[in-house]
Amino acid sequence: EAGVAQSPRYKIIEKRQSVAFWCNPISGHATLYWYQQILGQGPKLLIQFQNNGVVDDSQLPKDRFSAERLKGVDSTLKIQPAKLEDSAVYLCASSSRDLPGNTIYFGEGSWLTVV
Amino acid sequence: DAKTTQPTSMDCAEGRAANLPCNHSTISGNEYVYWYRQIHSQGPQYIIHGLKNNETNEMASLIITEDRKSSTLILPHATLRDTAVYYCIVRVANQGAQKLVFGQGTRLTINP
Repeated sequence: EAGVAQSPRYKIIEKRQSVAFWCNPISGHATLYWYQQILGQGPKLLIQFQNNGVVDDSQLPKDRFSAERLKGVDSTLKIQPAKLEDSAVYLCASSSRDLPGNTIYFGEGSWLTVV
Repeated sequence: DAKTTQPTSMDCAEGRAANLPCNHSTISGNEYVYWYRQIHSQGPQYIIHGLKNNETNEMASLIITEDRKSSTLILPHATLRDTAVYYCIVRVANQGAQKLVFGQGTRLTINP
């Protein structure tokens, strides 16, 4: 079974530029999550989708971050304009209530450096 | 906020059992205990989860105390590749789509 796919794996941009990350969850997983992980810290949830609807975006900095999952499958996370403190790993994850324990599976992450 | 407390770091000799403790004294009756690990430069990897019974899979064993206020993850024969940050998380599994709330985790170093 294919895992959660993310791209690009690495990205370096200048502050005030924009960047977009793409995620394709495990097939059939209705729930998709975007997490931000700053170096030395645990991952922090940015946004959670159930199919194409937003369940939780309380920690998403909406003045600069946006995310969509238009067809309920893959998702895009955008940052515009980027700030230095946005340098982090952006992790996508997915889960399905049909699986034992509703286990959440993560992708490898997209590493962002803002200079 | 994370509902668990873990030691910041631990060391273990290669080939020995690694026992990682976790306190979750405020755990609710319908919350499961999940363990994930994160090897450098990779996304978190699911290890195991349990409700109240001890669990074992090909990666590890999970021992949960009878009062469910603490648990221990056991890696029976640690290898150098088990060096990682280990996260203990409590979460409701079957009610809605519950997110994972990560704490700081335990940085486990396996020494040759």
